[in-house]
Amino acid sequence: QKEVEQNSGPLSVPEGAIASLNCTYSDRGSQSFFWYRQYSGKSPELIMSIYSNGDKEDGRFTAQLNKASQYVSLLIRDSQPSDSATYLCAVTLYPGAGKSTFGDGTTLTVKP
Amino acid sequence: DVKVTQSSRYLVKRTGEKVFLECVQDMDHENMFWYRQDPGLGLRLIYFSYDVKMKEKGDIPEGYSVSREKKERFSLILESASTNQTSMYLCASQTGPSTDTQYFGPGTRLTVL
Repeated sequence: QKEVEQNSGPLSVPEGAIASLNCTYSDRGSQSFFWYRQYSGKSPELIMSIYSNGDKEDGRFTAQLNKASQYVSLLIRDSQPSDSATYLCAVTLYPGAGKSTFGDGTTLTVKP
Repeated sequence: DVKVTQSSRYLVKRTGEKVFLECVQDMDHENMFWYRQDPGLGLRLIYFSYDVKMKEKGDIPEGYSVSREKKERFSLILESASTNQTSMYLCASQTGPSTDTQYFGPGTRLTVL
């Protein structure tokens, strides 16, 4: 079992829809969770971080964390073609640990 | 803005050559990382460094070494390049214990013939 698993893609949604990206992790002690976005041919950039159970909203993006289920998700509301990218889930054992484990990524395509 | 630069965007080397990939960050970050990214295998950690002259192995250190003589510079060395080291190499830096956000460089696409 991989340490961080993401739902297999690719994922395609129409413009304006909600895109849902999912991630599960195996180490129950993990405490820091991140979503990075990577455009084709570019390097990853952080879009959301979450540390506590529940929802965290930032504009059209909402990260959801459920530590009991070892599950973290990213919702993108009102999806735009510019959201088309690969989304990487990353998990760190504890805040400040530095070293993160990344999932393989889910490729999202938003169709106009 | 944090800036992480890598010495080359594209590099072509021959099997057996010694290869140096350099990474420089301009924000006085303590932590630096080297990853390789391959289709279907995701982002894998090769080595990381928490301070000058300190290094720790990541998940796939075999065939690689690193050097960090100055805080801003972290080098990845392929002692004897092999075809299975053809990949995209990404460097990242991180402020330190206060945050886990990693800032990535543009990447080096290395091809070993």
